[in-house]
Amino acid sequence: DAKTTQPTSMDCAEGRAANLPCNHSTISGNEYVYWYRQIHSQGPQYIIHGLKNNETNEMASLIITEDRKSSTLILPHATLRDTAVYYCIVRVAWAYSGAGSYQLTFGKGTKLSVIP
Amino acid sequence: IAGITQAPTSQILAAGRRMTLRCTQDMRHNAMYWYRQDLGLGLRLIHYSNTAGTTGKGEVPDGYSVSRANTDDFPLTLASAVPSQTSVYFCASSDSDRTGKSGYTFGSGTRLTVV
Repeated sequence: DAKTTQPTSMDCAEGRAANLPCNHSTISGNEYVYWYRQIHSQGPQYIIHGLKNNETNEMASLIITEDRKSSTLILPHATLRDTAVYYCIVRVAWAYSGAGSYQLTFGKGTKLSVIP
Repeated sequence: IAGITQAPTSQILAAGRRMTLRCTQDMRHNAMYWYRQDLGLGLRLIHYSNTAGTTGKGEVPDGYSVSRANTDDFPLTLASAVPSQTSVYFCASSDSDRTGKSGYTFGSGTRLTVV
């Protein structure tokens, strides 16, 4: 799986947009970009994923560069409850994984602190 | 509410004792996973199961065993607990959606302390 690089930590003012970057320069053509977050003491939570087009759901937007070597997760109006560790993961989809496994490898992530 | 149930929530266990962490999902997901999370090391995969009746080893399988007798349950057993197995354990599941649209769903975790 392609390796990802994320900043260790970021701060964001409450109510402002939080933009979390992720570099994945070795991503291959059949690998998706996934974002998860983990609020303190809870299990990780799926946020969004994409292949090459930008994606939006009720939680966030995902912007993937045209060359797919980097992406940005956008929380449009950060709240205090968005304080968490955010993980960017690249992984092939189930259909391409050969052995049929779909394991996700979590790195260290970015600790986002939303400040009042 | 659909999701994953883990039990117990927390446990203090004497070294050398046997312990089974329970995990049940009601989403009919094909795949299930066990992760452990330790400070400074992040989430590491212990074992996984792509479908009922099959299991596989993850990054840190030693000292742990799993079984997958049916779709819903995926228990994790520590045959003889050691202090290095003190950790927070998360169970997760995912659907084998071939488009990759399905994310993981995680349980709330089991905090295990081996003394």
